[in-house]
Amino acid sequence: SSELTQTPSVSVSPGQTASITCSGDKLGDKYACWYQQKSGQSPVLVIYQDDKRPSGIPERFSGSNSGNTATLTISGAQAIDEADYYCQAWDTNTAGVVFGGGTKLTVL
Amino acid sequence: QVHLVQSGAEVKKPGASVKVSCKASGYTFISYSMHWVRQAPGQRLEWMGWINAVNDNTKYSQKFQDRVSITRDTSATTLYMELSSLTSEDTAVYFCAREGNCTGGSCYPFDYWGQGTLVTVSS
Repeated sequence: SSELTQTPSVSVSPGQTASITCSGDKLGDKYACWYQQKSGQSPVLVIYQDDKRPSGIPERFSGSNSGNTATLTISGAQAIDEADYYCQAWDTNTAGVVFGGGTKLTVL
Repeated sequence: QVHLVQSGAEVKKPGASVKVSCKASGYTFISYSMHWVRQAPGQRLEWMGWINAVNDNTKYSQKFQDRVSITRDTSATTLYMELSSLTSEDTAVYFCAREGNCTGGSCYPFDYWGQGTLVTVSS
């Protein structure tokens, strides 16, 4: 199966830009989604189809996907953005959904 | 508004089966495919399988292929996931998730999630 690889942790100061990456073979040829999961809660979709924001998601969340890397960018990160972030894509080899290992974002 | 409400926590012995339910409301149940995802303690999200909205076809992760079954009762707007031959490695929180719409193909955004059901497997 295709694997999606994420950096385990990212740390930024409040107001800075946080970039979280997700790498996979030819990931740019597929659509990527991103989920935010706070401790003890269910995941929340923050980006889908590479760069689209669901209703209610702040504009500071944006996404891109090219080559082998999808990127979630949080512009002007806030303390409330502290969470685990997971990328997700469709694995054409197994005809199933695959998630990345998750990135813990710390804002301090 | 969309709600996915799952059944309560379960404690099972090794070798047993568990069936988790997910009651949907606030939208047209038959119009959306549904998925199950699990998360072991401190681990990543792990996709288990889905049921297609149009034809009730199911597709399972190879990892669970032989022991998972996903079904739905459209009259009760409820989704089910049954996992058999449980081991301690199946201890996890199990989530149901709705597959949202998008304009492209092979796009599978999970736009709504249930609250999760903790399944503990212990002798």
